[in-house]
Amino acid sequence: DQQVKQNSPSLSVQEGRISILNCDYTNSMFDYFLWYKKYPAEGPTFLISISSIKDKNEDGRFTVFLNKSAKHLSLHIVPSQPGDSAVYFCAAIGSGAGGTSYGKLTFGQGTILTVHP
Amino acid sequence: DGGITQSPKYLFRKEGQNVTLSCEQNLNHDAMYWYRQDPGQGLRLIYYSQIVNDFQKGDIAEGYSVSREKKESFPLTVTSAQKNPTAFYLCATSAGNSPLHFGNGTRLTVT
Repeated sequence: DQQVKQNSPSLSVQEGRISILNCDYTNSMFDYFLWYKKYPAEGPTFLISISSIKDKNEDGRFTVFLNKSAKHLSLHIVPSQPGDSAVYFCAAIGSGAGGTSYGKLTFGQGTILTVHP
Repeated sequence: DGGITQSPKYLFRKEGQNVTLSCEQNLNHDAMYWYRQDPGQGLRLIYYSQIVNDFQKGDIAEGYSVSREKKESFPLTVTSAQKNPTAFYLCATSAGNSPLHFGNGTRLTVT
């Protein structure tokens, strides 16, 4: 049962335009969401997160939006740069899972983003 | 990543052999984790340890074993009982409420 889904395996965007990566979840107990970025043959690196008490979190070119009623979140990258080309994973964790339990994440399948110069 | 060292980067084994993947960290993080990544799939949790000498099964622990004798080290053994061992294995650490910090992974190929 895939509790976190990224339904777009890939996304291609022109440099300077907006990239929008989407993620859906089914478990209503999830209340903290993260995005990770992964280059080939490397481990994922943390990008941005959002708590369920918010509907938006922004960090430079990266903004994550959360729609709890739709169980949907999205990552916006503006403007997109060729260096943003990577696999992006959405991840979630459930209520009450604080402290070291923040490692017990449920990940989506990932979306390959390609930003063309 | 300098904080988490996974070795080797590539590992090849024959079917039926056990193999141990190394994970060492100098971040002084209490918790350590092993995830597996397969093509087209998200990362799946194999085992985790929140403190020395203690560890718990994750979602796909069958065919794997771990130990946590030292805070810095969390080796993962892929046994011959694991039906599909070929994958990319990622070790991670965390401290408190911080996001997971990943190593660069070991790609295991079993033929």
